[in-house]
Formats: sequence, structure tokens, C-alpha cells
Amino acid sequence: GDKVKQSPSALSLQEGTNSALRCNFSIAATTVQWFLQNPRGSLINLFYLVPGTKENGRLKSAFDSKESYSTLHIRDAQLEDSGTYFCAADTNAYKVIFGKGTHLHVLP
Amino acid sequence: EAAVTQSPRSKVAVTGGKVTLSCHQTNNHDYMYWYRQDTGHGLRLIHYSYVADSTEKGDIPDGYKASRPSQENFSLILELASLSQTAVYFCASRGSSYEQYFGPGTRLTVL
Repeated sequence: GDKVKQSPSALSLQEGTNSALRCNFSIAATTVQWFLQNPRGSLINLFYLVPGTKENGRLKSAFDSKESYSTLHIRDAQLEDSGTYFCAADTNAYKVIFGKGTHLHVLP
Repeated sequence: EAAVTQSPRSKVAVTGGKVTLSCHQTNNHDYMYWYRQDTGHGLRLIHYSYVADSTEKGDIPDGYKASRPSQENFSLILELASLSQTAVYFCASRGSSYEQYFGPGTRLTVL
């Protein structure tokens, strides 16, 4: 099975609403990264987390290594938030493992 | 700001031909990676390197070779391109903080 499972796989949001994306890990993740792949295909770094939380503007992310999950909260969604969100887990083994992504569509 | 560049940005190749994708980073990072992304999927690791003149196999290395001639440069080589290798290829670098930075991607179409 997938070592990094993202949910939901797809999501449509009305502009101005809030949502939460989740990653569950079946591996011993030590750090987590969240990326946004925009409609042009570029991968944008959102967060890099050790266990704990970080906030940046309308985005907030948390990583709980003991319960093996991470979340990304989007507050007051805007049209430019549309794209695919990926989480990636690091296991201190030189490589990271990516989830399959959550496709987010923000509706006007 | 971390800087990873890739060339070419897009390429059309013929089946059986040789393709070389190049990646250059100015971050002074030790680790470099090559991933492929297929439509509707996440990123899968092909090869990686943690020091110049050394490369390691990732999760899907078959049909690909890699070369790391210097800390700044990492190439992905398809000796005999096949239709199934049509994809977008991303290079990334990572330093001691473990945060990965990606290049803009190369769209490869094999005909």
C-alpha cells in the first residue's frame, strides 16, 4: 500500500471558505514537506516541518510524528490557491516519499 | 532563495534515441534527485546522489542512468528512449536542513 496517503484526492471549495488536507504515514516520518503544484506545473515549497506546527498567512500546517499524520489548513481560500497539494515524508534515508496529491479547485 | 535550473524545458525524442536531461543547482547542496511525474500521479524517485561522482538508484531506475560530475550538476540519461518514458521530469536539491527545492521541470515526449 501507499506509504504516504493523502486525503481527499480531490476537493472543490467556494472562495472564502476553509478546508483541511491530510497526510497519513505508514512509515516512520521524521520531517514533512508540503508543496503546491500550480497550474503551470511548478512545485512551490509551502512548509517544511519537524513535529509541531507552522503558519504562513492563510496556511497552517501541523505534523504529529507519534500519530503519523500531517495536516494543511487553508483559511479563506482564494482562486490562486487552486492546484495540486503534495506532502512528502522524510525518513532520514536520503530520500523523501511523496503522496499522490490533493487536487484543489477554488470556485469563484 | 534556492536555485535549481533544468534544461531543456521541453523535448521531443524518437523511440530508441538517446536523451540527456540536465540539472544545475547553485545552492551548494550535497543531495540531488531526479523524479518523474506522470499525469495524475505524484512524484516517483528515479535516481539520487549525495556526493559528486556517485549516484544511487531510486524506486524506478530501470531504463535510466544518472551522472553527477560535480556538486552543482546532475544529469539523467535515457540511452534508449521508449514511449513509456513520456513524462515530466523534475530535479531537486537538498541541503543539510533536508528541505528539498525543485527545478521547473522538463516535459519529455517520446514519439
